Amino acid sequence: AQSVTQPDIHITVSEGASLELRCNYSYGATPYLFWYVQSPGQGLQLLLKYFSGDTLVQGIKGFEAEFKRSQSSFNLRKPSVHWSDAAEYFCAVRFGNEKLTFGTGTRLTIIP
Amino acid sequence: EAGVTQFPSHSVIEKGQTVTLRCDPISGHDNLYWYRRVMGKEIKFLLHFVKESKQDESGMPNNRFLAERTGGTYSTLKVQPAELEDSGVYFCASSQASISTDTQYFGPGTRLTVL
Repeated sequence: AQSVTQPDIHITVSEGASLELRCNYSYGATPYLFWYVQSPGQGLQLLLKYFSGDTLVQGIKGFEAEFKRSQSSFNLRKPSVHWSDAAEYFCAVRFGNEKLTFGTGTRLTIIP
Repeated sequence: EAGVTQFPSHSVIEKGQTVTLRCDPISGHDNLYWYRRVMGKEIKFLLHFVKESKQDESGMPNNRFLAERTGGTYSTLKVQPAELEDSGVYFCASSQASISTDTQYFGPGTRLTVL
């Protein structure tokens, strides 16, 4: 069955430290890949997306993600987190039709 | 340009009651999607409208859920009668074109609590 896995339910990092959030998918072929973020009281905001081409994708707020076909992964990274990055992050894929399939999300806590 | 809006932001009802959620997509977006997140689980697709037509309703959990999009503008999602397991956050999203590379823009969600 097609699925998206975010193995880390909750991650805590210090402000200024680097961040990597993991995402793996299980599909028969390469889907389109997305990262969304939900801050408290806000809707889901698109951080970045990968359709094709360069496997390192730049997004908003200083985030980037790297698609690795051999590992079926699309991990999200940021070199230095800010307190405002505290939120819940969702990896999502889309293949064929237009519905998104989401992972369970990773909640990010930032400590001063 | 206004984003996707949803009303209400929160709703608390008792089991057996009826609730109607509303979504206003971004103006000009033909595609409208409903998703739901039950506590602690992933966000799951419910259905997809293209204008006023249901393109895919494979995610609708049962016949207690009724979605409409009259005139191809705003959409409503009615739950009747509500059950405890319907509690969660209901998200609406819209996109402009029916192509796989189009971006879906999400609203803030409606948090539904069924007591």
